Amino acid sequence: AQSVTQLDSHVSVSEGTPVLLRCNYSSSYSPSLFWYVQHPNKGLQLLLKYTSAATLVKGINGFEAEFKKSETSFHLTKPSAHMSDAAEYFCVVSAGGYNKLIFGAGTRLAVHP
Amino acid sequence: DGGITQSPKYLFRKEGQNVTLSCEQNLNHDAMYWYRQDPGQGLRLIYYSQIVNDFQKGDIAEGYSVSREKKESFPLTVTSAQKNPTAFYLCASSRQGSSNSGANVLTFGAGSRLTVL
Repeated sequence: AQSVTQLDSHVSVSEGTPVLLRCNYSSSYSPSLFWYVQHPNKGLQLLLKYTSAATLVKGINGFEAEFKKSETSFHLTKPSAHMSDAAEYFCVVSAGGYNKLIFGAGTRLAVHP
Repeated sequence: DGGITQSPKYLFRKEGQNVTLSCEQNLNHDAMYWYRQDPGQGLRLIYYSQIVNDFQKGDIAEGYSVSREKKESFPLTVTSAQKNPTAFYLCASSRQGSSNSGANVLTFGAGSRLTVL
């Protein structure tokens, strides 16, 4: 069975400092992994995806994530936070079929001046 | 620009009433989905449709119904049988095909917030 765990429900950082949002997954198959971002009362937007190519994936707005099979992790990072990064972030695992997407519970990122 | 349009953005319902949420896409995507979002629970799949005139139940289909008469449209009806309908509802779509082709990458609408009075 597939599952995804976002290890922090809330993360707070200061503007200009690094961001780390943690995600662990469980999958019986070779998974596809995604990070989506959601701003308040909006839909979700794809940040990046991993589909068994390079393990370091670069996404939009300076975000990147590294697939680590040995640790079953897919953490999202950004070197320097911006106020506009304040949003909720979802880690998603897909294994086997496009309707089999499993969403994590989300991590709310707050960015302080 | 291509995208997904959900309406209404906000909807209030009295207990015992059915309501229908609209979802229209102009992306020429074959697959469409409805998700429910509650605080701290991520997204849960209600229904999905891979082709016109066909749809399947997701993880929490009870109290909901859908139709797929046109490729572009996938309306969701929240019936009076849904005991806790207050939530944020998200419609999404994707292409058909393998994961390498991007078929499991979802494009989302802006959502509809339903409140039961």
